[in-house]
Amino acid sequence: NAGVTQTPKFQVLKTGQSMTLQCAQDMNHEYMSWYRQDPGMGLRLIHYSVGAGITDQGEVPNGYNVSRSTTEDFPLRLLSAAPSQTSVYFCASMGELFFGEGSRLTVL
Amino acid sequence: KNQVEQSPQSLIILEGKNCTLQCNYTVSPFSNLRWYKQDTGRGPVSLTIMTFSENTKSNGRYTATLDADTKQSSLHITASQLSDSASYICVVSAKSGNTPLVFGKGTRLSVIA
Repeated sequence: NAGVTQTPKFQVLKTGQSMTLQCAQDMNHEYMSWYRQDPGMGLRLIHYSVGAGITDQGEVPNGYNVSRSTTEDFPLRLLSAAPSQTSVYFCASMGELFFGEGSRLTVL
Repeated sequence: KNQVEQSPQSLIILEGKNCTLQCNYTVSPFSNLRWYKQDTGRGPVSLTIMTFSENTKSNGRYTATLDADTKQSSLHITASQLSDSASYICVVSAKSGNTPLVFGKGTRLSVIA
């Protein structure tokens, strides 16, 4: 039982590059979500999903896409990275009861 | 506007001492209040979740209190240990299904020997 697993842990991108942050959970939780954590701010919700095939926007969705083809996986895509997206990203499941270890993204 | 304010912003205490962290919120209608512990470089870990009818909940040396009338909560840590050094985040959930969780900015606690 690995809980919520995020990859990669660290990533450096150049402005305009695209990438996908992976999130997987093995607890069969329907609800999954993505947050970003910036210095001096509370965690902010980017996107969430209440089950396979269902996604919705959170507070700060611009610049990010998500999909939920299976219960286990909830990837977060940055189509054209911007320096403002430099942050630590957390994936969560089960109503934010379980968080992954985070993915630290730097956009130059 | 739904907000969660935590105090103090940071705190340094000696190992073995007790401390209390504060959380004030304006989230309405209230559903539940959570406290998380976040070690440096790690994800938040849930400590307690309290609903409107609960005014105290314990998890080992951590005791959370809730006063729904004054919209205040506290997290009391007893006999602190070096491993308690972390950020403690207060999070409030509203009853509205479309309202996301409201996260406080956290209190950074440092326990020193």
